[in-house]
Amino acid sequence: GENVEQHPSTLSVQEGDSAVIKCTYSDSASNYFPWYKQELGKRPQLIIDIRSNVGEKKDQRIAVTLNKTAKHFSLHITETQPEDSAVYFCAASKNPLGGYNKLIFGAGTRLAVHP
Amino acid sequence: DGGITQSPKYLFRKEGQNVTLSCEQNLNHDAMYWYRQDPGQGLRLIYYSQIVNDFQKGDIAEGYSVSREKKESFPLTVTSAQKNPTAFYLCASSISGTSGGELFFGEGSRLTVL
Repeated sequence: GENVEQHPSTLSVQEGDSAVIKCTYSDSASNYFPWYKQELGKRPQLIIDIRSNVGEKKDQRIAVTLNKTAKHFSLHITETQPEDSAVYFCAASKNPLGGYNKLIFGAGTRLAVHP
Repeated sequence: DGGITQSPKYLFRKEGQNVTLSCEQNLNHDAMYWYRQDPGQGLRLIYYSQIVNDFQKGDIAEGYSVSREKKESFPLTVTSAQKNPTAFYLCASSISGTSGGELFFGEGSRLTVL
């Protein structure tokens, strides 16, 4: 079945630096790749997603890139701020015709942004 | 105020007891899910339901049971057959189970087996 590997498991950066989190997936039929952010003690929330028909998507300071050939996608956060500190989860799914679109999550990356 | 509500937030259980976690949503979503979150393992799917009166096993369904009698509600029972039930449980919903859209999560329930 589908497997999603996420690296690194922890990431520490200085405020203002960039942060990059990478994920690889195993099922070449996967076509939907969301990223969720979970702040300490709070629920995961979707921050950005990308579908397989595009290679990059940006939303202010965050961007996601997708390389379908290599089967990996990455989250890029620029100009990091302390409030970016959280656990970030990548996920992948495919949408079989009429079937359930099951998300497989990576293990998570704990990002710490130091002032 | 629309959203997804889980209760209780914290729960303690003795070994051998069943316990039921509540999940209610007022988002009019068709699909609902239960995930288990353990440190370093991400979110693993326990059960999901695409429509009322229908549900399917996820990747780690053993020792759990669910029901979906109403669109708004998807309770999870952790039975005594679950070998390692201490975990953080997250309920989620989405507009549809087949569209690949956003999951809306509850705030979670932390179960501790004593």
